[in-house]
Amino acid sequence: QVQLQESGPGLLRPSQTLSLTCTVSGGSISSSAHYWSWIRQPAGKGLEWVGRVDTTGDSNYNPSLKSRVTISVDTSQNHYSLEVTSVTAADTAVYYCVGWGLSAAGIPSWGQGTLVVVSS
Amino acid sequence: QSALTQPRSVSGSPGQSVTISCTGTRGNVGGYNYVSWYQQYPGKAPKLIIYDVSQRPSGVPDRFSGSKSGNTASLTISGLQPEDESDYYCCSYAGSYTFVVFGGGTKLTVL
Repeated sequence: QVQLQESGPGLLRPSQTLSLTCTVSGGSISSSAHYWSWIRQPAGKGLEWVGRVDTTGDSNYNPSLKSRVTISVDTSQNHYSLEVTSVTAADTAVYYCVGWGLSAAGIPSWGQGTLVVVSS
Repeated sequence: QSALTQPRSVSGSPGQSVTISCTGTRGNVGGYNYVSWYQQYPGKAPKLIIYDVSQRPSGVPDRFSGSKSGNTASLTISGLQPEDESDYYCCSYAGSYTFVVFGGGTKLTVL
């Protein structure tokens, strides 16, 4: 199973853009999973699906975030990325990157998560 | 408001069994056999303990079992041990557009 590692700034100011990258190692991003997604978890709260992309670049997003979120994949770099614009304190969370099989079947691959804090 | 409904808390004594329910709709739990369960300790990433309704990843004790009936999935932990005290989340595939939805989480206390 592949390993996933999130990276990106841990502290943002309100209204800035959150940018995270998930680097896939131990296998090709083009064949190791069908979908690549981001999940987030605010402190003390549950897990929330942010969105997903496949290796053709087709993407879907949580409707509650859709207007602010973009997920893209770079097969040449074996990584995929998350951008969330106009962040507020409500976007403060641990962000996980997760690779899934078709229809989310089978065993997904999770990154260890990265904390992003939005504070003035 | 989570798409899947779980009890906020359950408890049991060592050696006993507990069951955590996860109720959704035909658009998620009831429509697909792709329900998974995660165990999460404070400050740690979620750990997969059940996938595809009832399958256990390698290394997960067979004390953990999963099932589904209609729109409700269940996680049963038998022979409770102190280290089972944790938060548990269910997750279901919900179609190509919504993709996956989660429950709000259940805190298991081992008395």
